[in-house]
Amino acid sequence: NAGVMQNPRHLVRRRGQEARLRCSPMKGHSHVYWYRQLPEEGLKFMVYLQKENIIDESGMPKERFSAEFPKEGPSILRIQQVVRGDSAAYFCASSEPNRERTGELFFGEGSRLTVL
Amino acid sequence: AQSVSQHNHHVILSEAASLELGCNYSYGGTVNLFWYVQYPGQHLQLLLKYFSGDPLVKGIKGFEAEFIKSKFSFNLRKPSVQWSDTAEYFCAVRGLSQKVTFGTGTKLQVIP
Repeated sequence: NAGVMQNPRHLVRRRGQEARLRCSPMKGHSHVYWYRQLPEEGLKFMVYLQKENIIDESGMPKERFSAEFPKEGPSILRIQQVVRGDSAAYFCASSEPNRERTGELFFGEGSRLTVL
Repeated sequence: AQSVSQHNHHVILSEAASLELGCNYSYGGTVNLFWYVQYPGQHLQLLLKYFSGDPLVKGIKGFEAEFIKSKFSFNLRKPSVQWSDTAEYFCAVRGLSQKVTFGTGTKLQVIP
């Protein structure tokens, strides 16, 4: 399922800069999830989007973080004014719109953000 | 709110030993349950899933899991592990909102 493409794979930013992470879902998938992985903490849900809609953003920090999934183009997770605590691996996953199969997620290889 | 607990953070087994990884979830309604695996250097991939029907689910590579509704559990089992099973295993739950919540993961190390 290498069809979920994330870029960049590695991103280094200095404190205060902006980070933009992109995710192109598998062909035919209209649901996108973003997760953050920290050592010993597993995968933390951040946001769930469908095309042009944020369905659930209960895991997103209230400030500095935003996500979008436009009608055309990849989903983008944006982190403004990054801090060292934002350093983590960010994973994107996509799923089909068919409800019976939604939840079966296909993951990208992740984007590893390092904040200096 | 839905949540998932995985009790074992690190498990070390010798080859041919039996494996059982615990998973408990918290959610008041109908759930779909999943186990995902992340092999070293690879992305997460689905191991098995439970949507409905037979609560004993069989997945790839000889893994199986049993959904016990009364215990809110979905434990992963394998009768005889191999060195190639060394990986991190994640239990996940999806509720009606379609939000998928993962546990903290269990790192399994199989010693040859």
